[in-house]
Amino acid sequence: GDSVTQMEGPVTLSEEAFLTINCTYTATGYPSLFWYVQYPGEGLQLLLKATKADDKGSNKGFEATYRKETTSFHLEKGSVQVSDSAVYFCALKGNTGKLIFGQGTTLQVKP
Amino acid sequence: DSGVTQTPKHLITATGQRVTLRCSPRSGDLSVYWYQQSLDQGLQFLIQYYNGEERAKGNILERFSAQQFPDLHSELNLSSLELGDSALYFCASSVGGDTSYEQYFGPGTRLTVT
Repeated sequence: GDSVTQMEGPVTLSEEAFLTINCTYTATGYPSLFWYVQYPGEGLQLLLKATKADDKGSNKGFEATYRKETTSFHLEKGSVQVSDSAVYFCALKGNTGKLIFGQGTTLQVKP
Repeated sequence: DSGVTQTPKHLITATGQRVTLRCSPRSGDLSVYWYQQSLDQGLQFLIQYYNGEERAKGNILERFSAQQFPDLHSELNLSSLELGDSALYFCASSVGGDTSYEQYFGPGTRLTVT
């Protein structure tokens, strides 16, 4: 079945460092890909998405490119802030409409 | 604020009991999804309703059931609770029922079974 694998955390960075969180997927057909963010004590918020190969999703300085050849959707940000500390979930949505999530990656940004 | 509301925010109950979690979707959204987030299983899809009818089913236990009412709010019923049911339960809503629509998540209900 469809699945998503994320790099294990926690990821600890200093402010202004470059961020990469790896995400790879297995799916039949042509899924849509998403990154969600969960701040402490809150629900999930959609951060960005891409619906077809080579699409780049971007929001709040975060970017991810849908790479069909490597079945990846890595999340990047050029300069992280303390306020970016959260749990990040990679997810795919296939033909059933169900969102299938990775296990989540905790990001801690230190001043 | 996503516009999706969930009540209660926290729930503490004993093993063997039954609880009901409530979700109100965003205005205009017809589809409601339920997810469970636990430490050992991660974030898992449970069930989806669209305009009052069950649309898709995920890893939902037989002890769990859900429904969507004519006013489009949804309830998730959990019975014969076990310690392992302790988790954060999220509701999400979307305008339509297929893959092209974004899902917006509520703040969740934290269930603790003692």
